[in-house]
Amino acid sequence: AQTVTQSQPEMSVQEAETVTLSCTYDTSENNYYLFWYKQPPSRQMILVIRQEAYKQQNATENRFSVNFQKAAKSFSLKISDSQLGDTAMYFCAFIGGSNYKLTFGKGTLLTVNP
Amino acid sequence: NAGVTQTPKFQVLKTGQSMTLQCAQDMNHEYMSWYRQDPGMGLRLIHYSVGAGITDQGEVPNGYNVSRSTTEDFPLRLLSAAPSQTSVYFCASSPVGPNYEQYFGPGTRLTVT
Repeated sequence: AQTVTQSQPEMSVQEAETVTLSCTYDTSENNYYLFWYKQPPSRQMILVIRQEAYKQQNATENRFSVNFQKAAKSFSLKISDSQLGDTAMYFCAFIGGSNYKLTFGKGTLLTVNP
Repeated sequence: NAGVTQTPKFQVLKTGQSMTLQCAQDMNHEYMSWYRQDPGMGLRLIHYSVGAGITDQGEVPNGYNVSRSTTEDFPLRLLSAAPSQTSVYFCASSPVGPNYEQYFGPGTRLTVT
């Protein structure tokens, strides 16, 4: 079974600064997909970024980028130029290429301070 | 295009009561799933379906039943509610395939007293 670990329950950052959220996972599969989802106070789950394990290039989406280290089973999220609207719970998630079960980490609550 | 809708938004049940949480999507997605979110636990998969007539268990299926008679609908049934089922429930849908983004509904907050 796969597991996803987010070791930082809470983090805070000043507006306009950069912050990195950590995520590690454990799996025996070689083909899989990783995601970061954001859950603002509205409770709506929103996809931030995704990474295919077979791609060596790190995914980027505007101010959001990942550092994917396949050998270390690490998938961290970097948020540049943090904005107040980035305040949310962030979940790392994993799905194997051979099944349909999305496994989430316990989340990191990020607060962006003005 | 409403996306994924869930009803009700809030519900209070007494221990032992039964109810059905409704989930519908209008994106013609074959894959649908139910999660529960508890403080400090992230989201945990309850049941999922890869198409009409096909369902399977997730990580925490006990106490919940599902069926999938149409592509659009995927109801979650609590046969005899317990306080341990107090949680926020999310329904999600996507095309079939692990690389697809899952689209989430707004959630149902359920309290069992």
